[in-house]
Amino acid sequence: AQRVTQPEKLLSVFKGAPVELKCNYSYSGSPELFWYVQYSRQRLQLLLRHISRESIKGFTADLNKGETSFHLKKPFAQEEDSAMYYCALRASNTGNQFYFGTGTSLTVIP
Amino acid sequence: ETGVTQSPTHLIKTRGQQVTLRCSSQSGHNTVSWYQQALGQGPQFIFQYYREEENGRGNFPPRFSGLQFPNYSSELNVNALELDDSALYLCASSLGGLTETQYFGPGTRLLVL
Repeated sequence: AQRVTQPEKLLSVFKGAPVELKCNYSYSGSPELFWYVQYSRQRLQLLLRHISRESIKGFTADLNKGETSFHLKKPFAQEEDSAMYYCALRASNTGNQFYFGTGTSLTVIP
Repeated sequence: ETGVTQSPTHLIKTRGQQVTLRCSSQSGHNTVSWYQQALGQGPQFIFQYYREEENGRGNFPPRFSGLQFPNYSSELNVNALELDDSALYLCASSLGGLTETQYFGPGTRLLVL
């Protein structure tokens, strides 16, 4: 069965420190992974997707099929990074349905 | 270009009632997905509509049904409301296709008493 796990509900880091938000997935096919972000009082929005292999707002995420992980990383956290982060998987074998993790609330301490 | 809009923003119903939630897609988008987000949880996929046809469905009972109109706006209908249906309901629109980005609306918060 498809599943996305984000083990940390809450994560606090100091400004300028590295940050890593963990995401593990369970999927039998070839996965397509995403990170979505929700800033305070804003709507959910796409941060990045693994097929684009891009860096957005200094964040990167690498798909590791061996470890079934898609961790989100940023070398130097900024206060404006404080938000709720959701990892999501799109499963092509179930009508391109999206599966979201439970989210990690990141707080960057000034 | 306007973003995804949803109405109403908040709604209170009682158990057993029926509710209709509405979503207007971003201009030009032909695909709409609906999600249920319970408190403290991530969004759960309910179903997706592409050009007025249901194009995928999550693990939700048949009392959750939907429609997509020719202008690609959409409705989510829930019959026989239960207390556990209390949640934030999100819709997201996209251009369709496997690589297209979903754009989310602000959500409708439903409380079932």
